[in-house]
Amino acid sequence: DAGVIQSPRHEVTEMGQEVTLRCKPISGHNSLFWYRQTMMRGLELLIYFNNNVPIDDSGMPEDRFSAKMPNASFSTLKIQPSEPRDSAVYFCASSLRGGIGGKTYEQYFGPGTRLTVT
Amino acid sequence: AQKITQTQPGMFVQEKEAVTLDCTYDTSDPSYGLFWYKQPSSGEMIFLIYQGSYDQQNATEGRYSLNFQKARKSANLVISASQLGDSAMYFCAIGSASKIIFGSGTRLSIRP
Repeated sequence: DAGVIQSPRHEVTEMGQEVTLRCKPISGHNSLFWYRQTMMRGLELLIYFNNNVPIDDSGMPEDRFSAKMPNASFSTLKIQPSEPRDSAVYFCASSLRGGIGGKTYEQYFGPGTRLTVT
Repeated sequence: AQKITQTQPGMFVQEKEAVTLDCTYDTSDPSYGLFWYKQPSSGEMIFLIYQGSYDQQNATEGRYSLNFQKARKSANLVISASQLGDSAMYFCAIGSASKIIFGSGTRLSIRP
């Protein structure tokens, strides 16, 4: 079975440029999550979707960040304009969605996109 | 609100010994799940084990077991017979419904 697919795996860009990260979740999963990982701040949840609808975007650092999920098999995270402090590894993860009071399902992570903004 | 605490930033263990990684949590949700993930130096996040808050028995997956003490709000990971390949960062996480919150991690190093 194909796992979560992310592209690109590495991205180097100059400050001020637009960056788009892409994610394909595991087929049949209905929740999708975007995380950012840095040495200083650890693993941070940026936003998550249930059934393609954004549920919680409180982790999105600022208006320069936006995320979309136009269908069940694709999501993007866009940074415009990018800044050096955005340099991090960005993970996408997917899971089944548990109902309130029901099981919380484990998340499966993609390989991550290592973003470097110079 | 939910909170996860991992108090051991780093640990060194001799190969073949058992190791316990600590995790405590706080939540107001009556139903929740506890997870452990492994992140080797290659960077990928690997799901290891899950414990539901209403599960009566501690979860086990091969050499991994979860020592779940609900009254103490702890969910420690036990790795039996450690191997060199167990050297990695280990993250504890808590979730309810869909959202999962991760701890700061413990770096485990296995000595040959």
